[in-house]
Amino acid sequence: ETGVTQTPRHLVMGMTNKKSLKCEQHLGHNAMYWYKQSAKKPLELMFVYNFKEQTENNSVPSRFSPECPNSSHLFLHLHTLQPEDSALYLCASSQDWGLAGDEQFFGPGTRLTVL
Amino acid sequence: DQQVKQNSPSLSVQEGRISILNCDYTNSMFDYFLWYKKYPAEGPTFLISISSIKDKNEDGRFTVFLNKSAKHLSLHIVPSQPGDSAVYFCAARGSSGTYKYIFGTGTRLKVLA
Repeated sequence: ETGVTQTPRHLVMGMTNKKSLKCEQHLGHNAMYWYKQSAKKPLELMFVYNFKEQTENNSVPSRFSPECPNSSHLFLHLHTLQPEDSALYLCASSQDWGLAGDEQFFGPGTRLTVL
Repeated sequence: DQQVKQNSPSLSVQEGRISILNCDYTNSMFDYFLWYKKYPAEGPTFLISISSIKDKNEDGRFTVFLNKSAKHLSLHIVPSQPGDSAVYFCAARGSSGTYKYIFGTGTRLKVLA
């Protein structure tokens, strides 16, 4: 596997379910990100982890809970979501958070539908 | 209020002609800009970047122009090819405070064969 992978690619869940999104990067990067993309809206940064430490939480509701056990893996735990949380969730990685000229490499995303 | 705007949601161009995608920003502290391309069912892929110390950066068929006084950047694709059909996002960030990128809503480019 190369680049950034995400599983599952599609997820349908009820409002009372608990599920997790998984992201893995094979690029040797130190920073990992979760983004949300809703229809007709720009990508919104949710969380940033740098060297496994959370450095940014962009005022995300607590029903989204990130976990970064190591620099290669990132999870997004979901519980009691709302229908308006339906969106494409993208994971990304980069060499380091805040590095000048540091572009981010994105995974294919998880299309989440909350019923 | 959106700090990065892509005012054209879509653009159609004939194959072989120039495609010009535009992006405006409001924050004068932004000093680094990226363009990403996104195909359906794939994540965005990095295309080209520009720092505020430059006004132009070129990579093959892709050139990005930055006009700091107008807070405007544009991506030129010459010549356009059908494989360039995708959604293009611009993103911007500053180099102090938070380093997060602010993305535009994207422009869907269709290159007609």
